Amino acid sequence: NAGVMQNPRHLVRRRGQEARLRCSPMKGHSHVYWYRQLPEEGLKFMVYLQKENIIDESGMPKERFSAEFPKEGPSILRIQQVVRGDSAAYFCASSVQRGSLHNEQFFGPGTRLTVL
Amino acid sequence: DQQVKQNSPSLSVQEGRISILNCDYTNSMFDYFLWYKKYPAEGPTFLISISSIKDKNEDGRFTVFLNKSAKHLSLHIVPSQPGDSAVYFCAAESNTNAGKSTFGDGTTLTVKP
Repeated sequence: NAGVMQNPRHLVRRRGQEARLRCSPMKGHSHVYWYRQLPEEGLKFMVYLQKENIIDESGMPKERFSAEFPKEGPSILRIQQVVRGDSAAYFCASSVQRGSLHNEQFFGPGTRLTVL
Repeated sequence: DQQVKQNSPSLSVQEGRISILNCDYTNSMFDYFLWYKKYPAEGPTFLISISSIKDKNEDGRFTVFLNKSAKHLSLHIVPSQPGDSAVYFCAAESNTNAGKSTFGDGTTLTVKP
């Protein structure tokens, strides 16, 4: 039973290029969350998605960042025209929909984005 | 404004002793708290959680204590083992924003043999 998978694990982009980060949730999980971790800091919530729906994107920068979780396929976090400040570790987590409001999130290994 | 704070960036303890990791929060809407453990180059792993209707939750060597009036929680690890060496993150959620975890900056625990 594979856990949350993220690819690529490492991504290097030059300023102005696009970065696409992919996340495949655990089997049976319908909720996906994206977090960003800057060096020496904690994880910062970015966006919470269900299949084909964005539930909460309050942590997403207003420009250049977008996320989707299509009916088929992985969730994608897309960063257009990357800048050096986008360099960080991006973690995806997934959870199953249960009756309770708070569900344990299972994290992937992260994608480390480096912008040159 | 950081709503979840872990004021100790690092903690070092001897194997077999107790490790106490602390976390403070400012948002009174938070009613569910989680601790995660993270090894280098890996994602965080859920350890233990506590709802605001409780003041203590125990799971093996790990116990989380919640003091709502002080807006403070702590994670106790007894006895500490070298394999516990990792970064520990405290996180908080509210019922109105379930799924949106707010994380502290983490505490690096080192357990010396």
